[in-house]
Amino acid sequence: GQQVMQIPQYQHVQEGEDFTTYCNSSTTLSNIQWYKQRPGGHPVFLIQLVKSGEVKKQKRLTFQFGEAKKNSSLHITATQTTDVGTYFCAGAGGSQGNLIFGKGTKLSVKP
Amino acid sequence: KAGVTQTPRYLIKTRGQQVTLSCSPISGHRSVSWYQQTPGQGLQFLFEYFSETQRNKGNFPGRFSGRQFSNSRSEMNVSTLELGDSALYLCASSLVAMGQGGELFFGEGSRLTVL
Repeated sequence: GQQVMQIPQYQHVQEGEDFTTYCNSSTTLSNIQWYKQRPGGHPVFLIQLVKSGEVKKQKRLTFQFGEAKKNSSLHITATQTTDVGTYFCAGAGGSQGNLIFGKGTKLSVKP
Repeated sequence: KAGVTQTPRYLIKTRGQQVTLSCSPISGHRSVSWYQQTPGQGLQFLFEYFSETQRNKGNFPGRFSGRQFSNSRSEMNVSTLELGDSALYLCASSLVAMGQGGELFFGEGSRLTVL
């Protein structure tokens, strides 16, 4: 069945460094969503990408959707301690129209 | 507007017991999906209900079941609890069916501990 792989599983950075997490799907996606879960919290929607090659920015966050619509990335420029949390991608596709979550990348930021 | 409400927030059960968790979606949302979250395993999809019908089901044993009522509120039930069922159970609501491009709104979760 459809799988969404997300790497890395953990990332430790110094405040001010950049951070990137990657998602790869075994099948072509109709869209991909990104969520952030703060420690002790629940996932919160960040963004949705739909078009092939789409790039969206939210302040220091840049989201990309691959040309083949099978991979995506989230890049954070100059991380801050408020960026701490787990970032999940969720890809939509497949015959059942399901939304498959990656296992997430847990980001820690050292001040 | 009110967010997604899950009850209870915390509960402790013993092996062999059963548990029922409740989820009240955002008003107007017809899709409710359930997830099990354990350390290192991410969000594992349990099932989705849309307009009282189970639309999708994840790879969990039959001990895990759910339903949705006409007011879109949903319940999930786990019977014959096992130690491995200890987890945070999250529900999410959406205006449209999962995968159709709608944003998921998650509740705070119900943290289940099985002793």
